[in-house]
Amino acid sequence: DGGITQSPKYLFRKEGQNVTLSCEQNLNHDAMYWYRQDPGQGLRLIYYSQIVNDFQKGDIAEGYSVSREKKESFPLTVTSAQKNPTAFYLCASSIRPGDTQYFGPGTRLTVL
Amino acid sequence: GENVEQHPSTLSVQEGDSAVIKCTYSDSASNYFPWYKQELGKRPQLIIDIRSNVGEKKDQRIAVTLNKTAKHFSLHITETQPEDSAVYFCAAKRGRDDKIIFGKGTRLHILP
Repeated sequence: DGGITQSPKYLFRKEGQNVTLSCEQNLNHDAMYWYRQDPGQGLRLIYYSQIVNDFQKGDIAEGYSVSREKKESFPLTVTSAQKNPTAFYLCASSIRPGDTQYFGPGTRLTVL
Repeated sequence: GENVEQHPSTLSVQEGDSAVIKCTYSDSASNYFPWYKQELGKRPQLIIDIRSNVGEKKDQRIAVTLNKTAKHFSLHITETQPEDSAVYFCAAKRGRDDKIIFGKGTRLHILP
């Protein structure tokens, strides 16, 4: 999991602003994922991508958008339409869909 | 859809005793079951996994058992130590689309 990075570690946003969270991996993994984690809660899937130029909605996609233009990169945009965006966001990747997922260090987003 | 139930949500054990966390799943086609450990503010890290062609797997103080008939699997930690304190997540791979479904987590406290 040292080969998957997220930036920034902490992010503060004013209400009404869009923000983009970065996720990069150098593991040559095909699949990438975004999860949201709220305090004391489990992992909820936002979006996932099984291959470059393809992505699907997860369980809580509303108010989020993604792109997968490069194999190494899967940025997540939190839009102003997301009503309660304050959370810990985790990116993960796996060599192929359904294989072991390895997580990045996470980005803690706070809306002021 | 696939559901993964995890119990208990919180578990306290005396240092040196054993801890057991149990999960059930609903999709009989599930064939891969990873366990993750997440320390406070950190990323989830894979600690052990099992595939449906075996019933038990051990790695030092950690073991996982799988009962395919009953559709449940368990994590066993023996000789617990303070550094075992963390949140543990079970997961199961859904058969129809290879999506990994996570349980809601168990917060394990190791008491001195």
